[in-house]
Amino acid sequence: DTAVSQTPKYLVTQMGNDKSIKCEQNLGHDTMYWYKQDSKKFLKIMFSYNNKELIINETVPNRFSPKSPDKAHLNLHINSLELGDSAVYFCASSHRGSGNTIYFGEGSWLTVV
Amino acid sequence: DAKTTQPNSMESNEEEPVHLPCNHSTISGTDYIHWYRQLPSQGPEYVIHGLTSNVNNRMASLAIAEDRKSSTLILHRATLRDAAVYYCILRDDTNAGKSTFGDGTTLTVKP
Repeated sequence: DTAVSQTPKYLVTQMGNDKSIKCEQNLGHDTMYWYKQDSKKFLKIMFSYNNKELIINETVPNRFSPKSPDKAHLNLHINSLELGDSAVYFCASSHRGSGNTIYFGEGSWLTVV
Repeated sequence: DAKTTQPNSMESNEEEPVHLPCNHSTISGTDYIHWYRQLPSQGPEYVIHGLTSNVNNRMASLAIAEDRKSSTLILHRATLRDAAVYYCILRDDTNAGKSTFGDGTTLTVKP
């Protein structure tokens, strides 16, 4: 059973398109995240939701819009894709208590051409 | 968020122990020390975490300095599959806040 699953795993799209990446966790966690890892391998947090409420919103262009329909899902929608959006996007979840361990998905490789 | 400092890279021979250091001099009292690793083309995975005492699990051991300003991840017998980027981060257990991942340490294991 995959704890944090995200789809699609690979996505190639043209500039200007709108795309979504979906994420689901079956761990019963109350917090979910989106991280971006660029070509330099630096892992940077984008958003964090706790019980469907946005609690962290880093300096991310407003073309990126997260949506959390329930505690188990956090989707990422990207409008008007740009070349610089090419990266690996990781969904993650955690639960307060016991050290607040983060569990990551396998990543979604986005290439904008 | 309190930040951590790690060496950019380390090398080890297969089946030898590896000690990966991490400095976190601005750690606060509620911060847990977490270690994650990222194998090539995979998402980061949890390795171990601790607060004050040394910790052991099936993957590794975590040695925490008495003043908590540094810690060391210990892989007792490195294998080729342990080649990865290892991240040391601080996590506050009292809220769902962000944790800053630095550049991590790229571990190369030589056969």
